[in-house]
Amino acid sequence: QKEVEQDPGPLSVPEGAIVSLNCTYSNSAFQYFMWYRQYSRKGPELLMYTYSSGNKEDGRFTAQVDKSSKYISLFIRDSQPSDSATYLCAMRGGTASKLTFGTGTRLQVTL
Amino acid sequence: GAVVSQHPSRVICKSGTSVKIECRSLDFQATTMFWYRQFPKQSLMLMATSNEGSKATYEQGVEKDKFLINHASLTLSTLTVTSAHPEDSSFYICSARDRGTGNQPQHFGDGTRLSIL
Repeated sequence: QKEVEQDPGPLSVPEGAIVSLNCTYSNSAFQYFMWYRQYSRKGPELLMYTYSSGNKEDGRFTAQVDKSSKYISLFIRDSQPSDSATYLCAMRGGTASKLTFGTGTRLQVTL
Repeated sequence: GAVVSQHPSRVICKSGTSVKIECRSLDFQATTMFWYRQFPKQSLMLMATSNEGSKATYEQGVEKDKFLINHASLTLSTLTVTSAHPEDSSFYICSARDRGTGNQPQHFGDGTRLSIL
């Protein structure tokens, strides 16, 4: 079993829809949780960064962390075609720990 | 803020050539930089962790003599793929963390697409 599980998709939604992206993990030592967006042939771009459990909102994006269930989510409201990309969850333990990535979910927002 | 610049973005060269890739943190100092490799439609695979002023830490299965890493300053790390062969063709991505506090996330460069003929 992988440390971090993420549905690879592809996930196709119409413009304006609410998108829900999720990751589950098995390592209870993970404390820092990130969501990155990666466009084709580009490096990952940091979208959200959270510590421990709770919610964090930034514009159309909301990140949720439930450490008791070892489950994290990224919600995208009013999705746009420009949101079409691969979304990677990533997490780590202490400050010196390396990142563990999910496989990425490919999202397609259609007109 | 937190911009990481990677150069070059694309390299095409003959088998046996050595290729150097640069990773720079433009607006912050990075004690630690990371080098990843990504295959098509797959996630990032960590190759090595680069610490300023000391030797890099390589992940299991990554050849140290093949992938030379130098982190000479707080804003620059380089990856040299020595005597590259077609199987080394891949997308190489670096990332860096701000030395300000240990809790900062990694910020990534835009990657280097390496093609060995």
